Amino acid sequence: DSGVTQTPKHLITATGQRVTLRCSPRSGDLSVYWYQQSLDQGLQFLIQYYNGEERAKGNILERFSAQQFPDLHSELNLSSLELGDSALYFCASSVDMQSSYNEQFFGPGTRLTVL
Amino acid sequence: AQSVTQPDIHITVSEGASLELRCNYSYGATPYLFWYVQSPGQGLQLLLKYFSGDTLVQGIKGFEAEFKRSQSSFNLRKPSVHWSDAAEYFCAAKGFGNEKLTFGTGTRLTIIP
Repeated sequence: DSGVTQTPKHLITATGQRVTLRCSPRSGDLSVYWYQQSLDQGLQFLIQYYNGEERAKGNILERFSAQQFPDLHSELNLSSLELGDSALYFCASSVDMQSSYNEQFFGPGTRLTVL
Repeated sequence: AQSVTQPDIHITVSEGASLELRCNYSYGATPYLFWYVQSPGQGLQLLLKYFSGDTLVQGIKGFEAEFKRSQSSFNLRKPSVHWSDAAEYFCAAKGFGNEKLTFGTGTRLTIIP
C-alpha cells in the first residue's frame, strides 16, 4: 500500500459524459501527478500540481482538467468523453517538488470505461 | 526527444531461472532512472532507482539494476525468479529539474513452472 488513494476504482460511463476522478496523496506529500495508461499510448504523464498550483503539463487534452485543493487532494475532470478515453488513470504523489530526488508513489488507479 | 525504450514486450522465464529485462534511454544528460512493477489490477510499485554513484543498485524483492552510461542502459536483473514475480515491469526516467516521469512501454513477465 503506497498510501495514495484513488476513487472510484472503476467507472463506466457513456460517450459525451463528464466524470471526476479523485486522488488523496500520501500524508505530507505536496505534489500530485496524474498519468494515463492506455493500450495504444502506454503510460503518459498528464499534469502535475504542487501545493495547489499547476506545475507541469504533459499530454493532457483540452477536454481534461485538474485541480488540487487546500487539503492537497486532487481531482481530474474528464469531459465530452470519447471511446478513446477508456484507460487506467493513475495518481502519484511525492514530497517536495524542489528536489529531483523525489520518488513518486502511485495509487491503485481508476479504470475508466467509456461505452 | 527524451525517450525510454524497453525492447522486449513479453518475456517467459522458468521459475528459479535468472532474469534480465532491458531498458535503454535517450536523454540529453543522464536522467534519474527507475524500475516499477505493476501486478494485475494493482498500481505501480517502485522496485529501485538510480540517481548517481554506484552503478549497481539494489532494490526490493531481490531485484538489482545496473546503470551503463556507455550503453545508455539500465537493465533490471534477478538471479532466481519466483512465480510471484509475474507482472508487468516498467522502466522510467526523469531529467534533472523535471518532475515528469517518462515510461517505457513495459515488459510483461510470465513465469512457467
